[in-house]
Amino acid sequence: GAVVSQHPSWVICKSGTSVKIECRSLDFQATTMFWYRQFPKQSLMLMATSNEGSKATYEQGVEKDKFLINHASLTLSTLTVTSAHPEDSSFYICSAREGQAGGGYTFGSGTRLTVV
Amino acid sequence: AQSVTQPDIHITVSEGASLELRCNYSYGATPYLFWYVQSPGQGLQLLLKYFSGDTLVQGIKGFEAEFKRSQSSFNLRKPSVHWSDAAEYFCASILTGGGNKLTFGTGTQLKVEL
Repeated sequence: GAVVSQHPSWVICKSGTSVKIECRSLDFQATTMFWYRQFPKQSLMLMATSNEGSKATYEQGVEKDKFLINHASLTLSTLTVTSAHPEDSSFYICSAREGQAGGGYTFGSGTRLTVV
Repeated sequence: AQSVTQPDIHITVSEGASLELRCNYSYGATPYLFWYVQSPGQGLQLLLKYFSGDTLVQGIKGFEAEFKRSQSSFNLRKPSVHWSDAAEYFCASILTGGGNKLTFGTGTQLKVEL
């Protein structure tokens, strides 16, 4: 089946630095990828929708300049948390869609970001 | 706006007992419906999905779910729970013709007593 690889699985960074998280579709082309944020014991909150070759669509309340998304190819999307602060510490999960709407949503294994 | 509700935050069952996790959606059109499972610190794994057709859907790991339009529900069931089923379960939906965003319920934490 479809596989989405997310890297790194965990990262610790200092306040003020930037962190890049990669999401790759390994055996299919993903025209659309999604980035979610999950707080402990809570559900997934959609941050943005990433479309290959175009600008990402951010959900209301998500800072575009802080969470930079790049989807330069059909198999790779990246999320960069810029000038990270402790409140950005969270679990970030990507998802890739293959084919028609409603089908083939595959999730990465997530990235635990801790900002100290 | 579309929403997905999971009324039970926590559920505890004994190993070998049956399980039913509730999920309700709130819009008139038929949505695409999904159940995902998440183990601690991991991503989400798809258990099953419903788009149309037979309202009883079979999934992986012995799970099934039934779409009931009259009740706006898509409850997840398993006849005999195993200790390894302990995890967080999320119901999710996409509104047909409404784009491609998955909307998640708040999740149900399943604990299995041995």
